[in-house]
Amino acid sequence: DTGVSQDPRHKITKRGQNVTFRCDPISEHNRLYWYRQTLGQGPEFLTYFQNEAQLEKSRLLSDRFSAERPKGSFSTLEIQRTEQGDSAMYLCASSQTEQPQHFGDGTRLSIL
Amino acid sequence: AQTVTQSQPEMSVQEAETVTLSCTYDTSESDYYLFWYKQPPSRQMILVIRQEAYKQQNATENRFSVNFQKAAKSFSLKISDSQLGDAAMYFCAYRLSGGSNYKLTFGKGTLLTVNP
Repeated sequence: DTGVSQDPRHKITKRGQNVTFRCDPISEHNRLYWYRQTLGQGPEFLTYFQNEAQLEKSRLLSDRFSAERPKGSFSTLEIQRTEQGDSAMYLCASSQTEQPQHFGDGTRLSIL
Repeated sequence: AQTVTQSQPEMSVQEAETVTLSCTYDTSESDYYLFWYKQPPSRQMILVIRQEAYKQQNATENRFSVNFQKAAKSFSLKISDSQLGDAAMYFCAYRLSGGSNYKLTFGKGTLLTVNP
């Protein structure tokens, strides 16, 4: 069990650019979640996958955001045309069905 | 919609002393889970303890225990014999039981400082 891995740890980009983050869950976990955490707040749910199927998206996930989990393994979260308000920590978590979620270290996004 | 409230933005405790972190939640559901997660600075979120709502007995994990009051919708965390390594942001979280989406709803967190 190597834990949930996220890449990159930090991303600095200019407003308007596209960014993509990757999450590698714990290998036997069938569920994968993305959360966003802004300063002084708890994480907020964005979307989740069961295997390769994306089953729910939060209203926080505007049409500039897209997530995929091809083959039910790693997942990517892409943000197009980044805005200042997208600056946050993006957390990935995985679990095996009803078991507690295990979190990665997160990707901190800073928009210049 | 479910909400989780942590009314203590910051708490401090002396090493070896006991501290209690508060959490209240709002839900119309009867079957759910409650969690406390710990997030050290620049490190990943770690599960501290969880409680199933249908269980009356309070969960305990070594120095960590909870006081779960279902009727009052209260779920506090007690840390006994506090250690320097306990310093972190603590988040209370709620999750429905059953259904298909096990997303967590978090409170805003309580920053715990442990003084030597």
